[in-house]
Amino acid sequence: AQTVTQSQPEMSVQEAETVTLSCTYDTSESDYYLFWYKQPPSRQMILVIRQEAYKQQNATENRFSVNFQKAAKSFSLKISDSQLGDAAMYFCAYSFRGGAQKLVFGQGTRLTINP
Amino acid sequence: DSGVTQTPKHLITATGQRVTLRCSPRSGDLSVYWYQQSLDQGLQFLIQYYNGEERAKGNILERFSAQQFPDLHSELNLSSLELGDSALYFCASSVDRGESPLHFGNGTRLTVT
Repeated sequence: AQTVTQSQPEMSVQEAETVTLSCTYDTSESDYYLFWYKQPPSRQMILVIRQEAYKQQNATENRFSVNFQKAAKSFSLKISDSQLGDAAMYFCAYSFRGGAQKLVFGQGTRLTINP
Repeated sequence: DSGVTQTPKHLITATGQRVTLRCSPRSGDLSVYWYQQSLDQGLQFLIQYYNGEERAKGNILERFSAQQFPDLHSELNLSSLELGDSALYFCASSVDRGESPLHFGNGTRLTVT
């Protein structure tokens, strides 16, 4: 079975600084998706970024970028120029490509932004 | 706003009772997913419907059932409720069977007392 592990329960960063959240996963599949979701206090799950495993290029969305290391099964999220609105729980997730999006989530990392 | 609407926002009920959670997907989306977020289990996939038919099942208990109606809204029915069913239940929708990103609603917070 696929598993997703986030080893950092909590992280904090100064406003305007850069922070990296870690995620590792385990799968025997070769074609899959990886995601980072953000859950602010409003509790809505918001998609931050998506990476397709067959693409070698790391995905980026404005201030958010990933470091996807397929062989190491590692998928970290870098947030540049951190803003107060980035404070949230961040979840790493996996889904097999070619079927339903049965997302497997990590335990989450709570990110605090210090002004 | 994701465009996915879930009602009610909060629900408090007693053990042994039955409740129905409702979800309206984004306009044009054919797939509806249900996820459960609890303190001990984290976020778990429950079930997916695509255009009215069940497409995939996850860790959904036999006491739980769901359906998707012709207008594409979906309902999740939880029966014989136990304290451990207390959780945040999310609905998400997507335009296709499984390639496009999911858009989540704000969830229904269920408290079983």
